Amino acid sequence: NAGVTQTPKFQVLKTGQSMTLQCAQDMNHEYMSWYRQDPGMGLRLIHYSVGAGITDQGEVPNGYNVSRSTTEDFPLRLLSAAPSQTSVYFCASSYWSSRGRAESYTFGSGTRLTVV
Amino acid sequence: RKEVEQDPGPFNVPEGATVAFNCTYSNSASQSFFWYRQDCRKEPKLLMSVYSSGNEDGRFTAQLNRASQYISLLIRDSKLSDSATYLCVWGPKGYNKLIFGAGTRLAVHP
Repeated sequence: NAGVTQTPKFQVLKTGQSMTLQCAQDMNHEYMSWYRQDPGMGLRLIHYSVGAGITDQGEVPNGYNVSRSTTEDFPLRLLSAAPSQTSVYFCASSYWSSRGRAESYTFGSGTRLTVV
Repeated sequence: RKEVEQDPGPFNVPEGATVAFNCTYSNSASQSFFWYRQDCRKEPKLLMSVYSSGNEDGRFTAQLNRASQYISLLIRDSKLSDSATYLCVWGPKGYNKLIFGAGTRLAVHP
């Protein structure tokens, strides 16, 4: 199994451009999420989804859109890139634990995005 | 105040040493606690869950102190391969998400 696959691994955008970061998992996990990681700040939740057709905002959703049309895919769209969105983006998926929560995250290898 | 606070380190220790990290959390309604490990420029990976009774996995021991609102990770007999950043993680009750600390960096030297 491939686990969680993120593409691209690296991307440079100009301010104002839009793009989509792809995330796919082959583990049949219901829960998927997007985080960004900046130096000294830890991972911050952007958006998450508890199943196909259901998405919700995380801590830092502004400037990003998501959709979940299938269980496998959870793309993240940057609407109009800004230098403040320069970061490392991680997609994660999880099964439901015995407590009915998404707790054991499997992360993709990340996308390093630079906005100039 | 940050929801999760960790000493960023780095902790520089020799092989074979015992090292401990603490992490404090601010929300008393926290339900779940974990330690994740992140190698340089790699994705985080689950190291272990933290249970109220404490738990041990080989050289790693995790403890939870709800009264003082902190969790700890103890690494015994440190190996070079333990060099990484250790992320303190908690799950708020009623929310399906995990909150990550900024991490504590460990460097084990020969």
